[in-house]
Amino acid sequence: DAGVIQSPRHEVTEMGQEVTLRCKPISGHDYLFWYRQTMMRGLELLIYFNNNVPIDDSGMPEDRFSAKMPNASFSTLKIQPSEPRDSAVYFCASRGGPGQETQYFGPGTRLLVL
Amino acid sequence: GESVGLHLPTLSVQEGDNSIINCAYSNSASDYFIWYKQESGKGPQFIIDIRSNMDKRQGQRVTVLLNKTVKHLSLQIAATQPGDSAVYFCAENVRGYQKVTFGTGTKLQVIP
Repeated sequence: DAGVIQSPRHEVTEMGQEVTLRCKPISGHDYLFWYRQTMMRGLELLIYFNNNVPIDDSGMPEDRFSAKMPNASFSTLKIQPSEPRDSAVYFCASRGGPGQETQYFGPGTRLLVL
Repeated sequence: GESVGLHLPTLSVQEGDNSIINCAYSNSASDYFIWYKQESGKGPQFIIDIRSNMDKRQGQRVTVLLNKTVKHLSLQIAATQPGDSAVYFCAENVRGYQKVTFGTGTKLQVIP
């Protein structure tokens, strides 16, 4: 298995631009998580999906952030408009169903908003 | 203004020695615990896990110890190698809840 795949690996954009991060979970996994990691706040859960349905988005910072999962093999995290404080590494993780609690992380997208 | 980041505790270990990384977890209802390793520029990587009905679990060169009485978790790495240099996170989970709570991490530096 290729593991969790994220793209792009690096993104540099200007303030005000729209940013879309992409994730392909491990095949067969029921849960997908989006995290943000910064030096200031560590690893934060933004949102997670179960069977493509958003379950908990309480970690999403504000309305500028949105996430979708149109099918079991693809999810996006969108920031519109982006701000410099959104600069961080964004991770996607997936896990299997009940009894399979271990989350497997992708390599992350390093976002820099100028 | 000056930014203040998380202060990551750092453990420096001589190559070949054993390493012990400690973690205090917060939720007494947590019943599943995981250790992750994060190398520079990479995502967290699963190392080993343990359920609350156990107090010790061994893997290849790694051992996790769980003390539920004092809500303490430790990761022991035998014969530490330069490739073990990374940030190590403990994480806790309550059965039936999907969110995993991550600790702030410990940086392990292996001195050749």
